[in-house]
Formats: sequence, C-alpha cells, structure tokens
Amino acid sequence: DTGVSQNPRHKITKRGQNVTFRCDPISEHNRLYWYRQTLGQGPEFLTYFQNEAQLEKSRLLSDRFSAERPKGSFSTLEIQRTEQGDSAMYLCASSWTDRTNYGYTFGSGTRLTVV
Amino acid sequence: GENVEQHPSTLSVQEGDSAVIKCTYSDSASNYFPWYKQELGKGPQLIIDIRSNVGEKKDQRIAVTLNKTAKHFSLHITETQPEDSAVYFCAASIRGGGNKLTFGTGTQLKVEL
Repeated sequence: DTGVSQNPRHKITKRGQNVTFRCDPISEHNRLYWYRQTLGQGPEFLTYFQNEAQLEKSRLLSDRFSAERPKGSFSTLEIQRTEQGDSAMYLCASSWTDRTNYGYTFGSGTRLTVV
Repeated sequence: GENVEQHPSTLSVQEGDSAVIKCTYSDSASNYFPWYKQELGKGPQLIIDIRSNVGEKKDQRIAVTLNKTAKHFSLHITETQPEDSAVYFCAASIRGGGNKLTFGTGTQLKVEL
C-alpha cells in the first residue's frame, strides 16, 4: 500500500472556475477526512466520511463546496465558482477508527491557487 | 467548539539538546491528543499520540505528557537531530466527535549543527 494519494498536487485556476480534487485513501480504512490548511496555520476540518456516508460538514464549508465518496473508496472534493480566499492546501486523510485506534494518515495535499 | 493553543511558534535548539512544545485545549470532553510533524511540501505525519486515560507515553526519543486537570499536553524530543527540523502540530479531538481534529497553529523547530 502506498498510503493516501491525492491528485493533482498543484492546481492553478482562474477566479470563478470550478475545480475538483481526488483522494485515494488506504484501502482498508473506513474513514476519510478533508482538511484545509493555509500558510502558517494548522489544518482545519472540512468534512468526513464513514464508508460512503458523509457524517459531518464544517461551517467552513460553504455551499460552493461539495464532497463525495462513492462506494466508500476514493473521494472527490469540488469547489464551484472559486474565489481567491479558496487558495490553500487541501489535505485528505484516512483512518481505521475503532475503540482502540484513532490515528490518521494524511496525503501530501493538493495546493490550490486561485488567480 | 474546541480551541487548541500552541507555543512557541518557533524554536531553535542545538543538535543534541532537548526540545519541548506545549499545547492547551479548551474542551474537557477532549480525549485524544496526537502530534504531527510536517515537512515542507508534505502532509502532516503522525509521530505520537496519547489518550486521556494515560498521563505519559514514550517512543524512543519522543515523549508526550498530558495533564487533564490543567488541560495541557506537551511534546518532548530528546537528543535532537537535524532531521527533526520541521513544523510540529498538536491536535485534540472530542469524545464522540467523529475523531475530527482541532489543530494548534504549529511550531517551527530548527535544529542547528
């Protein structure tokens, strides 16, 4: 297993365009998380899935953001009508979460620049 | 919601010295406290974690201590090496909260030769 894979690594887009990022988690992991990280800050929680069910969305996630995890495998995060404030690193993480294990594995992220 | 504060924001030590990073959390329902190391251009990597039923945990040169009464926890790195240079983040999650993490603002650790 090669860990959590995110594509693309970098994305430059014009304001107003739509973008989609993909995350492939570790195959046996039941949970998948999306976080956003801006320069000099810690990651901020956006949303998470248990298998294919999206269980929680942060108030940070405006209506322009949508995430899916069809069949409980890979996940996509789409941002519609991008704004300059959306520029950030988008991190995906997965975990096998049960009563004894809580640890995440993060991917290397997708860096979004909105110009 | 949970709030995690971390300090110092930057820390410079000589190779072989110890480094200590401290965090405080606000929600007494928090029960899981991981530490992540992030190198430039990479995602955060879990280096050690502790649950609220344990006061201290060690893994080779790294240790974490937790004081539930004071709501603070610390990362201790002994015998620092240049490859320890990175940004370190503490985090906390609330029991029953889906294990979503609230992160601190990070500490840039520089180990000088």
